[in-house]
Amino acid sequence: EVQLVESGGGLVQLGGSLRLSCAGSGFSFRTYEMNWVRQAPGKGLEWLSFISSSGSAIYYADSVKGRFTISRDNARNSVYLQMNSLRAGDTAIYYCARVTYDILTGYYPDYWGQGTLVTVSS
Amino acid sequence: DIQMTQSPSSLSASVGDRVTITCRASQDIFNYLAWYQQKPGKVPKLLIYAASTLQSGVPSRFSGSGSETDFTLTISSLQPEDVATYYCQKCNSAPWTFGQGTKVEIK
Repeated sequence: EVQLVESGGGLVQLGGSLRLSCAGSGFSFRTYEMNWVRQAPGKGLEWLSFISSSGSAIYYADSVKGRFTISRDNARNSVYLQMNSLRAGDTAIYYCARVTYDILTGYYPDYWGQGTLVTVSS
Repeated sequence: DIQMTQSPSSLSASVGDRVTITCRASQDIFNYLAWYQQKPGKVPKLLIYAASTLQSGVPSRFSGSGSETDFTLTISSLQPEDVATYYCQKCNSAPWTFGQGTKVEIK
């Protein structure tokens, strides 16, 4: 069974930092791309970042570029999101998602973790 | 960047009704589109990918169609358990933008 478990969320001060982790199991982690997606309270889904299976390709949404860093450790079956210079607008549930890719179907997140809540407080 | 626009933003329909949600891309994305269902307080769930391919385990009352810039998610016979917010997402390249969501309620 595919499982993704996020951790590392919590309450952080404005301008502070936090590192989220996502541990995958039940699939060959090293062969899948991974995403981070967030959802602010009462709002829609916002794609944040993508990392390829090898880590060689990385992309960010403009809203977090320069502040957030995605990385992965395939030996630990984990993907990370380092979040710096946090703002009130970063308050959200953060989800990691496994991305399945096929040239005919594109990249789509097919399994999601339960999410971890990040609250940025002044 | 390509923008994804869903309509309507919300709808209310009766059990058994046919429900249609549209998603429009600001540029051609071929068939690289996915649909997700998010029930209140739950994690998003993949319903459809490649515009029309039903994810394993998803009820057959859900279907997707469209290509290039115009896409549709249809629920052929709305059920009480379909109360949720539905999102489309472009799946071809970065940024993997979501639509703003369509909230579906029972009348």
